[in-house]
Amino acid sequence: GQQLNQSPQSMFIQEGEDVSMNCTSSSIFNTWLWYKQDPGEGPVLLIALYKAGELTSNGRLTAQFGITRKDSFLNISASIPSDVGIYFCAGLLNYQLIWGAGTKLIIKP
Amino acid sequence: EAGVVQSPRYKIIEKKQPVAFWCNPISGHNTLYWYRQNLGQGPELLIRYENEEAVDDSQLPKDRFSAERLKGVDSTLKIQPAELGDSAVYLCASSPGQGLKIDTQYFGPGTRLTVL
Repeated sequence: GQQLNQSPQSMFIQEGEDVSMNCTSSSIFNTWLWYKQDPGEGPVLLIALYKAGELTSNGRLTAQFGITRKDSFLNISASIPSDVGIYFCAGLLNYQLIWGAGTKLIIKP
Repeated sequence: EAGVVQSPRYKIIEKKQPVAFWCNPISGHNTLYWYRQNLGQGPELLIRYENEEAVDDSQLPKDRFSAERLKGVDSTLKIQPAELGDSAVYLCASSPGQGLKIDTQYFGPGTRLTVL
């Protein structure tokens, strides 16, 4: 099926550092979503983007809907230990969410 | 407000055995989704219900998978017989309805299936 290219696959960072990850696709999406999944849990919605060029923040998280509608970016500022987990991007296409493979965030103590 | 409830949380079976997963969505949510998530990947949609109607089951392997949502509330996903490749986490999600923000899907904790 369709896939989004999400990168990086994993990140090892120091607490307090800023984090950036992105997703790209060959398809145009009308909605981009960013989720976080903790071990043993289902994904939890962090940010939803509905308009090309839109920049939306949720606390220390900021996400942008790319102008071409084929990409999106998520930034986390001043990372803290509870930010560890897997971050997924997803694009909405015909009522179906197309998911990236996730970015695993690991914070070095 | 209670979230999406799934059971069991874990299931280990031998190949060729049947298995069933149960999901109770958030109260009032008309849309229900079943996803399969393989290790290191994002979820993949298996089936989507609007009330009791399966409106998208194009990704459901119908030779061995079946699902039902008889009263438009809770739902069951069944695999019979299970194969080794079915080992995955099966996630259920719900959202308020087609006319509303269908992208706002709330996920349950999933059922981790291991087929031996």
